[in-house]
Amino acid sequence: QSVLTQPPSVSGAPGQRVTISCSGSSSNIGSHFDVHWYQQLPRTAPKLLIYANNNRPSGVPDRFSGSRSGTSASLAISGLQAEDEADYYCQSYDSSLSASVFGGGTKLTVL
Amino acid sequence: QVQLVQSGAEVKNPGASVRISCKASGYTFTNYAMHWVRQAPGQRLEWMGWINTGSGNRKYSQEFQGRVTITRDTSASTGYMELSSLRSEDTAVYFCARESGGGYCTGGSCYFSWFDPWGQGTLVTVSS
Repeated sequence: QSVLTQPPSVSGAPGQRVTISCSGSSSNIGSHFDVHWYQQLPRTAPKLLIYANNNRPSGVPDRFSGSRSGTSASLAISGLQAEDEADYYCQSYDSSLSASVFGGGTKLTVL
Repeated sequence: QVQLVQSGAEVKNPGASVRISCKASGYTFTNYAMHWVRQAPGQRLEWMGWINTGSGNRKYSQEFQGRVTITRDTSASTGYMELSSLRSEDTAVYFCARESGGGYCTGGSCYFSWFDPWGQGTLVTVSS
């Protein structure tokens, strides 16, 4: 059971926009702890996609954007491309657990 | 470039211990803390623990408390994660990752931020 809840899967056609939600609680996202997002391609290590809610590291296309509100956060991907097909994970800090916590991951399928 | 390179795959018997290394390059090792994360086959990422590479201060996930030991060798710019009393459920890919947002853990107060970059991962298989 993940502390952060994500939908198991989302899908979209090339060129479309999809969003992935990340639902937390008052001890993590609701306490204003930052949310970060990672992309994991098959059989590779996770790669930082969005940090501190809505910041993109150098090299990440502006098709990727993040937001946070209340006890939830979202990752939006616009102009879907075939190479976006991957697993996406949200991450935050939980003060009750005194630990870094991850969502269960969302598999993005590009139709 | 900033890089973390981990040791190779391991096969262990139940009850044994495993030690994985993570060598850092491209930055000052002691300026950034290091985390360890694991991922069982087809499962989510699971945070295991953190080490302040400068002071050696450590914080472990309650899930692994008592079985995991994270250390570092500053002269070699290398972090280590040892997991003991292995069982089949510990079969997973283990990752090291750099704490890149100024996370800390002092006097019982902790905060961890984002992880970047990550090592390539080390597969540990526990099987008799």
